[in-house]
This record gives sequence, C-alpha cells and structure tokens, in this order.
Amino acid sequence: AQSVAQPEDQVNVAEGNPLTVKCTYSVSGNPYLFWYVQYPNRGLQFLLKYITGDNLVKGSYGFEAEFNKSQTSFHLKKPSALVSDSALYFCAVRDPSSGGYNKLIFGAGTRLAVHP
Amino acid sequence: GAVVSQHPSRVICKSGTSVKIECRSLDFQATTMFWYRQFPKQSLMLMATSNEGSKATYEQGVEKDKFLINHASLTLSTLTVTSAHPEDSSFYICSARGRLAGGPTDTQYFGPGTRLTVL
Repeated sequence: AQSVAQPEDQVNVAEGNPLTVKCTYSVSGNPYLFWYVQYPNRGLQFLLKYITGDNLVKGSYGFEAEFNKSQTSFHLKKPSALVSDSALYFCAVRDPSSGGYNKLIFGAGTRLAVHP
Repeated sequence: GAVVSQHPSRVICKSGTSVKIECRSLDFQATTMFWYRQFPKQSLMLMATSNEGSKATYEQGVEKDKFLINHASLTLSTLTVTSAHPEDSSFYICSARGRLAGGPTDTQYFGPGTRLTVL
C-alpha cells in the first residue's frame, strides 16, 4: 500500500535561514512524488514534482526537493526562508503501477512558520 | 493565474437542503477530476475520482448517494451534497489532472476550495 509520512507537525525557522520540510514515502513501484503548499482557506498550489531523471528537482518560489531512493525520502528545501513562505506544506505520492486512476496519497501536512 | 476554479467559495445552508459545488478546469482539458474533503488542521481525504462521461469511483466509507458527482465534460465536474447535515460541514477541494500548455505533464491542479457550513 502507498503511504506518505511527514514526521513534523510544525517547522519553525528564522527568516533568511535555510529550511527543510521532511517527507518519506512507501510505494511498491517507482514513485511519482509531489509537494504542494496551502495558504489559509485556499486550495493547494503545486510546487514541484519528481517522476524520473535528476534527483534534485527545482520548483516554484525558490523551493527544491531531493529524491533519495535508498532512504525513500523527498525532503523539501529552500536556501533562504521568507516570512511569506509560512503556510501548510503537503507531500504526496502516486504509484503509477497501481492501476486505476493513480490517485495521489497525501501526507498529514507540515506547518511552516518563518519568523522575522 | 488559477487553473482550476470552484464555485461557490463559501456556502451556508440549512440542514436537510442540498448544495451543489462546481469545479472547472481553465485552459486545459481534465482527463480526471478528484474531490477531496479537508477537516480543520488535517490532510486531504480523497472522496471520489471521476473521468468525463463515466461514473465516479468512490473511496471506501464515502456515501455515493449522499455525495453525487457529475463529470459532465472535460472541463466541468460537480459535487452535490444531498440532504446536508452539520457533520457535512467541511472544506471541499476539487482537483483536475491534465496538462496545462507549457506546464509539467500529468500534474494535478487544485481548486481554491469551498467552505460548506450546514446549520
């Protein structure tokens, strides 16, 4: 069965410092991995995804994520955090070999708080 | 700009009434549309998946007679909450999978969500 774990409910970081939001996954096949961000009372915005190729994926707003197959991780990173990055971040996985509609499975979400 | 729209953004209704939520993909054809429900401070729970012209596939525990999904075209899906009750109050989010011109392939785009409050 597919699953996604985001071990931290909240991450606090000072503005200008690097940030990391952790994500680990479990799928039977080769995963498609995604990061989304959600601002209050809004839907999810796509940040980036990994399907194949370079393990380091660059996305919107200066975010990037590194796919690590041996550790089954896909941590989200940014070199220098902004206060405006404060939001709820979701990691998601899809197993394309699972058939059907290949639904996305979401992690529980991590709240990022960037302090001035 | 937004690639998936939802209407209404917020609705308040009386218990026992039905509420329809529309989801539209803008500037692309959605091969598949998804409906999610999100409780406060929780993750998204997939309710159902649908392809245009086909019956929706509901997740386990989701009542298909209560949450009616119509996927009328490649750009429009509707969710109707029938005989709504206070426990149906939630944030409902639709998502569409397709390819936006110049964008990444096979990506799901999400609508802004609809806040339903049943009194």
